[in-house]
Amino acid sequence: GAVVSQHPSWVICKSGTSVKIECRSLDFQATTMFWYRQFPKQSLMLMATSNEGSKATYEQGVEKDKFLINHASLTLSTLTVTSAHPEDSSFYICSASSVRASGRGLATDTQYFGPGTRLTVL
Amino acid sequence: DQQVKQNSPSLSVQEGRISILNCDYTNSMFDYFLWYKKYPAEGPTFLISISSIKDKNEDGRFTVFLNKSAKHLSLHIVPSQPGDSAVYFCAASASGGGNKLTFGTGTQLKVEL
Repeated sequence: GAVVSQHPSWVICKSGTSVKIECRSLDFQATTMFWYRQFPKQSLMLMATSNEGSKATYEQGVEKDKFLINHASLTLSTLTVTSAHPEDSSFYICSASSVRASGRGLATDTQYFGPGTRLTVL
Repeated sequence: DQQVKQNSPSLSVQEGRISILNCDYTNSMFDYFLWYKKYPAEGPTFLISISSIKDKNEDGRFTVFLNKSAKHLSLHIVPSQPGDSAVYFCAASASGGGNKLTFGTGTQLKVEL
C-alpha cells in the first residue's frame, strides 16, 4: 500500500517562532502533494497544492508568506509555519498522489494521507 | 460556500446491520468522488471512489452509489462492524481523485454491539 509519513506528529511552540513539518511518501513517488488543515470537529480544508520542482499553488485566503511550502523531491514536501500565532494552532495533514503508482496495486486516482501533525502555539 | 455537504453529523447503527452515509454536492463540475475514514488525530484512510461515468462501485463490504442528477452519493457498509466506528468524509474533485479535493463536513459513525 501507499505510506505517507509526517514529522513531527505533534509540536508545541511559542508564539513568534517558526515550525517546519515534513511530509514524505515512503514507497512511491509523489508527483503532487497537498497540505490541509483541520480545526476541531470541522472538515479538512485544502491550503495548497505543490508539485515537485515548482512553486506551490495556494487556496484563496491562505497566506503564502506565512505558510511556506517546499517540494524539493518526489518524496518530500515541507510546510513551514512562519511566525506562528495561537490562531495557527490546528491539525495539519498532508497527502500525496501519483499517477505512476498503478503498477504496485495502488489506486492511481486518489490521494494518500499522512497521519497529521498537531500544532499548538502558546 | 460548502460545496460538499454531509447533513448527518452522526449515525448510530447496530453491528451486522447496514450503515448508509449520505453526501450531497452542488458543483456540477465535480466528476470524481471518494470516501475516507478518519480516526481522531490521524490522517484519513482511503476507502472507495467512484467516477461520474458510473453509478455504483463495490469493494467488499463497501459500496458507493452515485446519483448525478440529484448530485447525491451514498456509502453503504454491510455488514457494519464495531471497527467501522469512525468519522467518514466524502470528497469530490473536478479533475480526478489525485487532484484538488473538496471535503464534506464528515459523519461520525458509531457501530454498537
